[in-house]
Amino acid sequence: AQKVTQAQTEISVVEKEDVTLDCVYETRDTTYYLFWYKQPPSGELVFLIRRNSFDEQNEISGRYSWNFQKSTSSFNFTITASQVVDSAVYFCALIGRGSEKLVFGKGTKLTVNP
Amino acid sequence: DAMVIQNPRYQVTQFGKPVTLSCSQTLNHNVMYWYQQKSSQAPKLLFHYYDKDFNNEADTPDNFQSRRPNTSFCFLDIRSPGLGDAAMYLCATRQGGTVTGELFFGEGSRLTVL
Repeated sequence: AQKVTQAQTEISVVEKEDVTLDCVYETRDTTYYLFWYKQPPSGELVFLIRRNSFDEQNEISGRYSWNFQKSTSSFNFTITASQVVDSAVYFCALIGRGSEKLVFGKGTKLTVNP
Repeated sequence: DAMVIQNPRYQVTQFGKPVTLSCSQTLNHNVMYWYQQKSSQAPKLLFHYYDKDFNNEADTPDNFQSRRPNTSFCFLDIRSPGLGDAAMYLCATRQGGTVTGELFFGEGSRLTVL
């Protein structure tokens, strides 16, 4: 069975603070893919990043960075110098190779206050 | 330009009155999904099509049905909506195959049941 845990239900920060969203996963697949999606108040799910299980390189995209650690089954997401527009629900998700089912964590609601 | 289009964005129906939600895609992806997302919860997979093959989740109520007349379109039919079916319904697509890519989501259809 596959499972994604996002222990932080809600986080509130002040603009310009850095914030890290945690994601821990469980899977028996040796090959799998991890994702982060952003869901703003309008409702659509916006793809942020995909990482496959063989690629443990950390990735940075502007103010966003991701830390994938297979040893701890974690795929954490950091926003540097947060902005009000970053306010959204962020979902971590997992899909095993050969599976068609994307399994979501419960999401972390991030509120960035001015 | 939107690649996964859902209609209507907002649907109000009466208890027990059938409703159909539609999803179209311009990506020519062979996998299409329907997710249900209730307030403050993670998206929950209802079913998906891999090409013409329909895959129902074990816990999806019989009240929910789907049709995929061609590659581009997929419909979600709720035969007798109950109050508990009020939710956001998300359609997603993905190119299934040897490389597991991300799901592309539509903006969702928000269903209200009176």
